[in-house]
Amino acid sequence: EVQLVESGGGLVKPGGSLRLSCAASGFTFSTHNMNWVRQAPGKGLEWVSSISSSSSYMYYADSVKGRFTISRDNAKNSLYLQMNSLRAEDTAVYYCARGGILTTVIQSWGQGTLVTVSS
Amino acid sequence: EIVLTQSPGTLSLSPGERATLSCRASQSVSSSYLAWHQHKPGQAPRLLIYGASSRATGIPDRFSGSGSGTDFTLTISRLEPEDFAVYYCQQYGSSPGSFGQGTKLEIK
Repeated sequence: EVQLVESGGGLVKPGGSLRLSCAASGFTFSTHNMNWVRQAPGKGLEWVSSISSSSSYMYYADSVKGRFTISRDNAKNSLYLQMNSLRAEDTAVYYCARGGILTTVIQSWGQGTLVTVSS
Repeated sequence: EIVLTQSPGTLSLSPGERATLSCRASQSVSSSYLAWHQHKPGQAPRLLIYGASSRATGIPDRFSGSGSGTDFTLTISRLEPEDFAVYYCQQYGSSPGSFGQGTKLEIK
């Protein structure tokens, strides 16, 4: 069974930093593209970032480009999102999501971790 | 960037009825790389359809997807009580990927 468990969320002040982690199990992590998707309170889903299986390619939404960095450690079956210069509008539930092997279709989702940016 | 527009915003139907949800793209979605996800409050979203018309593992056959190019449709043939949720389309044919704004399917 595919499992994606996010951690690292919490309350942070504007301008602060946070690092999210996602522990993956139940599939061959190193062969899949991976994604971060977020949902702000009362809003829809917003794709944040994707990384290819070997970390060769990384993509970011314009809203986070230059502030967020996606990375992965295939030896540890883990995905990360380093978030810097956080803003109030980054407040959201952040989901770790498994992509396909050849595409970035989201096949499985984690339960999410809440990030709140407030003074 | 491809912008996805879903309609209607809210759909009010009764169990047993047929639901038709629309997703329109601002430009052609390559290789029909269009997916549909179901999201219930407090739960992780769930993949229903990928490649515009292929059902994901374990998804009941009352869910079906169709379309190509810029116009896509999710149909639920006979609504069950557990189908009332928010539905999102997602395109993954070009980077960055994107989601529609969602259609809320509510009980009438």
